[in-house]
Amino acid sequence: GENVEQHPSTLSVQEGDSAVIKCTYSDSASNYFPWYKQELGKRPQLIIDIRSNVGEKKDQRIAVTLNKTAKHFSLHITETQPEDSAVYFCAAINSGGSNYKLTFGKGTLLTVNP
Amino acid sequence: EAGVTQFPSHSVIEKGQTVTLRCDPISGHDNLYWYRRVMGKEIKFLLHFVKESKQDESGMPNNRFLAERTGGTYSTLKVQPAELEDSGVYFCASSQKRRVFQETQYFGPGTRLLVL
Repeated sequence: GENVEQHPSTLSVQEGDSAVIKCTYSDSASNYFPWYKQELGKRPQLIIDIRSNVGEKKDQRIAVTLNKTAKHFSLHITETQPEDSAVYFCAAINSGGSNYKLTFGKGTLLTVNP
Repeated sequence: EAGVTQFPSHSVIEKGQTVTLRCDPISGHDNLYWYRRVMGKEIKFLLHFVKESKQDESGMPNNRFLAERTGGTYSTLKVQPAELEDSGVYFCASSQKRRVFQETQYFGPGTRLLVL
């Protein structure tokens, strides 16, 4: 089955700096990669996703890149703000496959210091 | 549009007791999933319903866990009898009927279960 590794487990940055979280996956058939943000005590919320037919996607201060050959994808947050502080999870799925389950990384606790 | 809701938000029980968690998916979502996050670890898949049918229950830890989705609406997850290692946050998620580019799973706030 799929296995997703996520690094780092914790990340502390100063407000205004950039933050990068990296994930690798094992199943070359995975073709959909969402990122979820979970603030303390709240539900995981989808913040951005990318499909295997594109290499990069951007939404304001957030971008995700995908390298299918190397089987890794990354989340980039620019101009970080204190409200970006949360746990971020990457995930992978083969959306055309027979199962529908998301395989998650272990999460990254991002702290943005004012 | 109302999101996925879960009840209760927290539950503290003693080892050997029974607990039932409930999930109400987004209206119209055929797919319903249960996941669990044990402290410090990844969110792990438990099972997947399509309407009232279990599509995949490969992630269920053992037969102490029983999930149902009567009528294809809300779902319950019962743990009986609960063990210490069952502690964690149980998430429910739902998604629309499977079509191209409709993989997005929307998560509920989770139920925090603590077994003492």
